[in-house]
Amino acid sequence: GAGVSQSPRYKVAKRGQDVALRCDPISGHVSLFWYQQALGQGPEFLTYFQNEAQLDKSGLPSDRFFAERPEGSVSTLKIQRTQQEDSAVYLCASGGGHNSPLHFGNGTRLTVT
Amino acid sequence: DQQVKQNSPSLSVQEGRISILNCDYTNSMFDYFLWYKKYPAEGPTFLISISSIKDKNEDGRFTVFLNKSAKHLSLHIVPSQPGDSAVYFCAASANDYKLSFGAGTTVTVRA
Repeated sequence: GAGVSQSPRYKVAKRGQDVALRCDPISGHVSLFWYQQALGQGPEFLTYFQNEAQLDKSGLPSDRFFAERPEGSVSTLKIQRTQQEDSAVYLCASGGGHNSPLHFGNGTRLTVT
Repeated sequence: DQQVKQNSPSLSVQEGRISILNCDYTNSMFDYFLWYKKYPAEGPTFLISISSIKDKNEDGRFTVFLNKSAKHLSLHIVPSQPGDSAVYFCAASANDYKLSFGAGTTVTVRA
């Protein structure tokens, strides 16, 4: 009965480094979302998977951001050549179906120095 | 373009009294609305939801009201308890899809 698990909880990267953020959704959940939350703001949509298919990546801020979910469960959000404006909390959420609420992980706080 | 707005960044209420949080939206396609609660260093936790076919949903101390004509929803917490101190996010979706969030309201319950 574990919830959504994200790792690492905290990541400090030097500007220009690549980072990879991991999400383990709730077992059996088809839908998986990535959100970005800046300080003092609500979560902003990044991308959406249904099983292994990435159906919407319209929220990804630039082509430095890439997400995958190759086997329809674990997902990885990769950010290449990190910039200071990438500093935020990255939230993963999974959902079980029609009009059922999304369940969020505790997020990864990324700080780019 | 912020489709979900929470115009009050903070709310302070005395323990035992009612907390009323407000949320406005602009997208008439939204048909499912939720409130999430967030403690520091944790992810948002689902609190209560309402479908657009209803105007009220109640769960214990929490009630959500939806006014579709005004594109407005509110969350009532009564009675407020110290553990309710958190950030509350209003969220909405259209056609069972991605959630759009407001900026949040920080609730502080005073003893």
